[in-house]
Amino acid sequence: QVALVQSGAEVKKPGASVKLSCKASGYSFTSYFLHWVRQAPGQGLEWMGRMNPGPGDTIYAQKFQGRVTLTRDTSTTTVYMELSSLTSEDTAVYYCARTSFKDSFDVWGQGTMVTVSS
Amino acid sequence: DIQMTQSPSSLSASVGDRVTITCRASQGIRNDLGWYQQKPGKAPKRLIYATSSLQSGVPSRFSGSGSGTEFTLTISSLQPEDFATYYCLQYNSFPWTFGQGTKVEI
Repeated sequence: QVALVQSGAEVKKPGASVKLSCKASGYSFTSYFLHWVRQAPGQGLEWMGRMNPGPGDTIYAQKFQGRVTLTRDTSTTTVYMELSSLTSEDTAVYYCARTSFKDSFDVWGQGTMVTVSS
Repeated sequence: DIQMTQSPSSLSASVGDRVTITCRASQGIRNDLGWYQQKPGKAPKRLIYATSSLQSGVPSRFSGSGSGTEFTLTISSLQPEDFATYYCLQYNSFPWTFGQGTKVEI
């Protein structure tokens, strides 16, 4: 069955970087886009960016431009999200989610909690 | 960026009630609108895509309608398992944006 499995919770200090993973299984990895969405505690959902795993091209939200990098490893069907220069405002649950072309998120990972604290 | 204004932000309802949630887009998004349900500690779950298409496995009491800039999610008869937070999502243009959410409470 289709699944996105994310890496475990992280605790980071302000100014550090974090790199999260999202492993896809049960479908053709290069046939779907993978996105990252985050949710601060008690807050709504915020789209961060998208990876096209085939060619490896990316689109980022302007808010995160320069701080976020999406990469992928087609051999392990895994997408990575690295966020740098962390502040307490980056404390959130980070989700990866799948879409096909011109469609919305149909499959989500379980989420990864990132806590930024000194 | 396209702003999605969702209302109400919360509502109280009883089992069996008909519930309507609205999202207004700041510009036309054709029918590129989805609805998600989220329960505490869980990832969002898609209910509706392309404005009115029901996700496989989702009960038929959920329905979506609208076009252009005004969209609606309707729950025809609220069930106990429907108490959750609901979000709309526009995926017409980047950056994709969500509504602020509607918490449906007893």
